[in-house]
Amino acid sequence: AQTVTQSQPEMSVQEAETVTLSCTYDTSESDYYLFWYKQPPSRQMILVIRQEAYKQQNATENRFSVNFQKAAKSFSLKISDSQLGDAAMYFCAYFGGATNKLIFGTGTLLAVQP
Amino acid sequence: KAGVTQTPRYLIKTRGQQVTLSCSPISGHRSVSWYQQTPGQGLQFLFEYFSETQRNKGNFPGRFSGRQFSNSRSEMNVSTLELGDSALYLCASSLDPYNSPLHFGNGTRLTVT
Repeated sequence: AQTVTQSQPEMSVQEAETVTLSCTYDTSESDYYLFWYKQPPSRQMILVIRQEAYKQQNATENRFSVNFQKAAKSFSLKISDSQLGDAAMYFCAYFGGATNKLIFGTGTLLAVQP
Repeated sequence: KAGVTQTPRYLIKTRGQQVTLSCSPISGHRSVSWYQQTPGQGLQFLFEYFSETQRNKGNFPGRFSGRQFSNSRSEMNVSTLELGDSALYLCASSLDPYNSPLHFGNGTRLTVT
């Protein structure tokens, strides 16, 4: 069965600094998608970044980038120039054809210090 | 473009009652998925509908059911509520989850007393 593990329950970063959130997953599929979602106190799950497994190039969205290591089944999120508005719970998620549903990690609560 | 709309935002029910939650997807999205979020179990998949057909179902008891209408709007029903059903219920829509990402609503916070 596919699993997603986020080993950092909480992280803290200074405003304008860079932080990396870790995520590992387990799957036997070769074709799948990986996501990072952000959930602020407003509760809405917001898509941060998406990575297709068949693409070797790491996805980037403005200040957010990923380090996708397919062989190691690792998918970390780097947030550059952290802003106060980045404070939220961040979830790593997996979507594959065998399960046809998002499988979420347990989340990392990110605090941004002014 | 309007986002995913879930109603109501908050709901308080008593054990044994039933509840219906509503989700209006983004215009043009035909797939609607439901997830339950609790502090203990995290985010768990409930079911997914596409063009009024349930394509996938999570590991929840039969008290949890859903449906999708021809306009892609979806409802989720929970009968005979239990205290453990207290959770944030999130709805997400997409063009097709195989090829496009899910966009989530603000959720419905259900409290069972």
